[in-house]
Amino acid sequence: AAGVIQSPRHLIKEKRETATLKCYPIPRHDTVYWYQQGPGQDPQFLISFYEKMQSDKGSIPDRFSAQQFSDYHSELNMSSLELGDSALYFCASSSWTVMDSFFGQGTRLTVV
Amino acid sequence: AQTVTQSQPEMSVQEAETVTLSCTYDTSESDYYLFWYKQPPSRQMILVIRQEAYKQQNATENRFSVNFQKAAKSFSLKISDSQLGDAAMYFCAYRSSYNTDKLIFGTGTRLQVFP
Repeated sequence: AAGVIQSPRHLIKEKRETATLKCYPIPRHDTVYWYQQGPGQDPQFLISFYEKMQSDKGSIPDRFSAQQFSDYHSELNMSSLELGDSALYFCASSSWTVMDSFFGQGTRLTVV
Repeated sequence: AQTVTQSQPEMSVQEAETVTLSCTYDTSESDYYLFWYKQPPSRQMILVIRQEAYKQQNATENRFSVNFQKAAKSFSLKISDSQLGDAAMYFCAYRSSYNTDKLIFGTGTRLQVFP
């Protein structure tokens, strides 16, 4: 069965650079979520999209932005990167007819 | 706001034995979902089990079962016949009744399994 695909799997950036993370949800899933998991921490909700519109927003820094495109894939754009942005970034997808959220394998971002 | 609390940072169990991981939550909603996710060293988030709050019957998935106490706002995970592959971080999570709402996670319990 198709799963949530995230790219890249690993990313190394320098401080003040920009990063773009991509997420391809499970086919026919209309909702995408982004979570940030710092070292030794639980996943924290950043932002979600339903039918290409932002549906909820968590503790996402103003330096970050995201969108969902017409093919339902989503991108998380992160600018002016800071050391503290180093984390595992998960994308998950679901739909109104599905009770569960399915997670991608995550993108490990390291800011040096 | 809803909160999820896991008071056991670490637990250990011997292979083939049973272990119970605790989770409590706080919410003013009457309808919601509770989940247990497993995160092995690969860091993949794997859904273990789900409980709908409107169901009185505790969910069961093979060796995994829950003890859902709605009035006490408690949601524990029991792993029977523990296997080495069960070693992982386990997160309890809450979600409102809207299927497209976000997950709220607890801080996790690291489970070690000894042979």
